Amino acid sequence: GAVVSQHPSWVICKSGTSVKIECRSLDFQATTMFWYRQFPKQSLMLMATSNEGSKATYEQGVEKDKFLINHASLTLSTLTVTSAHPEDSSFYICSATRGQGNTEAFFGQGTRLTVV
Amino acid sequence: DAKTTQPTSMDCAEGRAANLPCNHSTISGNEYVYWYRQIHSQGPQYIIHGLKNNETNEMASLIITEDRKSSTLILPHATLRDTAVYYCIVNSGGSNYKLTFGKGTLLTVNP
Repeated sequence: GAVVSQHPSWVICKSGTSVKIECRSLDFQATTMFWYRQFPKQSLMLMATSNEGSKATYEQGVEKDKFLINHASLTLSTLTVTSAHPEDSSFYICSATRGQGNTEAFFGQGTRLTVV
Repeated sequence: DAKTTQPTSMDCAEGRAANLPCNHSTISGNEYVYWYRQIHSQGPQYIIHGLKNNETNEMASLIITEDRKSSTLILPHATLRDTAVYYCIVNSGGSNYKLTFGKGTLLTVNP
């Protein structure tokens, strides 16, 4: 199957700083990428959908100014958590699809963010 | 997208078939059924998807009822490594492609 890679796998940052998470599709061009957040013992919650070269579409309740998403190329999307606070500590996961229509999404391995 | 209902947890003996049910009674004609699983602290892994015909791949089989209101994911010979949370998701695809995860079923495969 296709490979989606996230970097870093885990990060610890101080409260008030910003953290950038990268999501790359290694062997295919991703028309659409998705960002999820998962708190302990909960399911994945979709944060936003991004298409290459256009602005991300955020889900209701997700602050677009706090969670900056850039999808500059067909193989790279980034999520920047700005002015992070302890409540932003979570497992962030990206996924990517190869095309339109009904196709499977491939997920990254996730990034564990801890804000201290 | 239609809502899905799955049991919270299930147990299965190693080597036996694991049958995971999913109800999606409000599914519409253009919505597919997807199955993913998530092993602890990892990203979800795609398993299989289908529209109305039964599907089989190297990982599993997907049985969809004729009225499409429910489906069953079958792992034919469960191993300990199949212990994970299994998610059944209904998605209409196209420009509205968006996978919304419910709570899923925690499958525990016992030795």
